[in-house]
Amino acid sequence: GAVVSQHPSWVICKSGTSVKIECRSLDFQATTMFWYRQFPKQSLMLMATSNEGSKATYEQGVEKDKFLINHASLTLSTLTVTSAHPEDSSFYICSARSQGRRYTDTQYFGPGTRLTVL
Amino acid sequence: TQLLEQSPQFLSIQEGENLTVYCNSSSVFSSLQWYRQEPGEGPVLLVTVVTGGEVKKLKRLTFQFGDARKDSSLHITAAQPGDTGLYLCAGARHTGFQKLVFGTGTRLLVSP
Repeated sequence: GAVVSQHPSWVICKSGTSVKIECRSLDFQATTMFWYRQFPKQSLMLMATSNEGSKATYEQGVEKDKFLINHASLTLSTLTVTSAHPEDSSFYICSARSQGRRYTDTQYFGPGTRLTVL
Repeated sequence: TQLLEQSPQFLSIQEGENLTVYCNSSSVFSSLQWYRQEPGEGPVLLVTVVTGGEVKKLKRLTFQFGDARKDSSLHITAAQPGDTGLYLCAGARHTGFQKLVFGTGTRLLVSP
């Protein structure tokens, strides 16, 4: 149980285009999903917390107009990188917090999406 | 600000050796998780510790949460090449508080 998927697994785009990344919880409902960014050989940095049916909460320094998050249902959250530039190239990982689990702080991670902006 | 410092940052050992990874903070955490991440993949949860002083074992891996819930350790006995990966600790500041703070990471390489 507690499987989280991401789509696409990798994407290459031209500078100035927008890219949408989907995060789905496959076998549980997730009221909260998180979006992280990870640079090579570094740890995960939280970008934003996504709550179903409400606006996302962004971490300090993360541009909300640049990284649009929509959590439309209990199993789907999307991250759209708008007007992508080469410095946005990174590994984007989502996670989902399961309802009703013993350890409510436990997050289950997706496999990640590698974005390369040319 | 990185609240969780892991040490060592990188460890290269031979198969069969033992090792310990440390995760330290000046802050108290309500719970702490350990993850392993392989290149190009998302982190995979290994364990969650909640109680100060708690010890959990997962086959050859032993996890301990400090008495004051500010630190944790991961000990691997008789490491195998399959243990190679990035080990991440992550703490939750308050019970039910949603955000996790990730450690700086420890990259482990186990050679045959």
